[in-house]
Amino acid sequence: EAGVTQSPTHLIKTRGQQVTLRCSPISGHTSVYWYQQALGLGLQFLLWYDEGEERNRGNFPPRFSGRQFPNYSSELNVNALELEDSALYLCASSSRDINTEAFFGQGTRLTVV
Amino acid sequence: GEDVEQSLFLSVREGDSSVINCTYTDSSSTYLYWYKQEPGAGLQLLTYIFSNMDMKQDQRLTVLLNKKDKHLSLRIADTQTGDSAIYFCAEKLDFNKFYFGSGTKLNVKP
Repeated sequence: EAGVTQSPTHLIKTRGQQVTLRCSPISGHTSVYWYQQALGLGLQFLLWYDEGEERNRGNFPPRFSGRQFPNYSSELNVNALELEDSALYLCASSSRDINTEAFFGQGTRLTVV
Repeated sequence: GEDVEQSLFLSVREGDSSVINCTYTDSSSTYLYWYKQEPGAGLQLLTYIFSNMDMKQDQRLTVLLNKKDKHLSLRIADTQTGDSAIYFCAEKLDFNKFYFGSGTKLNVKP
């Protein structure tokens, strides 16, 4: 069974540009979570989608947005990129089964120059 | 539920035991997890404990849960250099809500 897949794995953008990151959850998982991890440190919660709806949002400015598609895949969009947006962006998925943990993708490494 | 706290760093010598601690605030947690993140990679589930358990042992790993104090710990026996990583605790609440701690960076010195 395929795990959580994220694309691209790496990208470099210029300050002020816009970027879209993609995440495909494990088959059968309805929830997708996005996290930002800067400088290899802690996870900062960005967004949680379930069944196509935004369920919760972290303390990030509105230029961070996303959506979840009917097939439960998700996009994270970041507008007007700033240097401090450089980070590893991790996506995780889970199901409503109480026994199911969150499964993580390998992340997208974004560098803003 | 949103305040899952961990200390940022832990340094131990190879062969010693490591104890990584975590506190959480939501008593309605169903499961509590420990994840491991190696450099440049995503998080991998290391172990978990159901909220009605006090302890779980899995080879070199021992998880202790104190529900009264909302305290979770991970003990790694005979710590090896390959255990050097960032360790995250997490709690799962109803309806797929997860809260993660900020991670503890474990450094194992030879």
